[in-house]
Amino acid sequence: EVQLVESGGVVVQPGGSLRLSCAASGFTFDDYTMHWVRQAPGKGLEWVSLISWDGGSTYYADSVKGRFTISRDNSKNSLYLQMNSLRTEDTALYYCAKDVEVGATDGGMDVWGQGTTVTVSS
Amino acid sequence: SYVLTQPPSVSVAPGKTARITCGGNNIGSKSVHWYQQKPGQAPVLVIYYDSDRPSGIPERFSGSNSGNTATLTISRVEAGDEADYYCQVWDSSSDHRGVFGGGTKLTVL
Repeated sequence: EVQLVESGGVVVQPGGSLRLSCAASGFTFDDYTMHWVRQAPGKGLEWVSLISWDGGSTYYADSVKGRFTISRDNSKNSLYLQMNSLRTEDTALYYCAKDVEVGATDGGMDVWGQGTTVTVSS
Repeated sequence: SYVLTQPPSVSVAPGKTARITCGGNNIGSKSVHWYQQKPGQAPVLVIYYDSDRPSGIPERFSGSNSGNTATLTISRVEAGDEADYYCQVWDSSSDHRGVFGGGTKLTVL
């Protein structure tokens, strides 16, 4: 079964740091671009970041650029999001997702985890 | 930055056809992806690359894209189709960024 499982979400103070993880199984992880997408409470979807299959290309939303870092460990079938200088507006459910097509960086996201909740509050 | 505009809500009777639009400047030159999200659940990809359907998605779901508007069409709407629907594109004009529309709540009357 193709599966993504996120972890690492907690309550953190503004200015703090956090590392999210996403464990992948059921597919050849190192064939696919991976994404982080977030959803603030009661709001729509917001793309956060992507990393290419080999980690050679990374892209970020303007809202997180310079504060968040995406990475992957293909030997562990794992995706990460290092979040620094957190703000209250980063409070959201964070999903990891897999690109639909091998090697693509502009496809749809066909497999999603159930998300991990990050709350930034004092 | 690139903006996608969706109507906040669409209502349709069971058995009828629902059309959800996604507007953007020359969106026809981009590939559009559509997601369905039910309350408390993760999004599900229902259409990718404008009109392709992932395995397991009913043929009732179809997509088109031309000019400044992309459209998700749901034929023979069922109660189980009630959900939020989001369009999404990749904007590579200055960098490579994902852009989601604001979402459309589909209500089945």
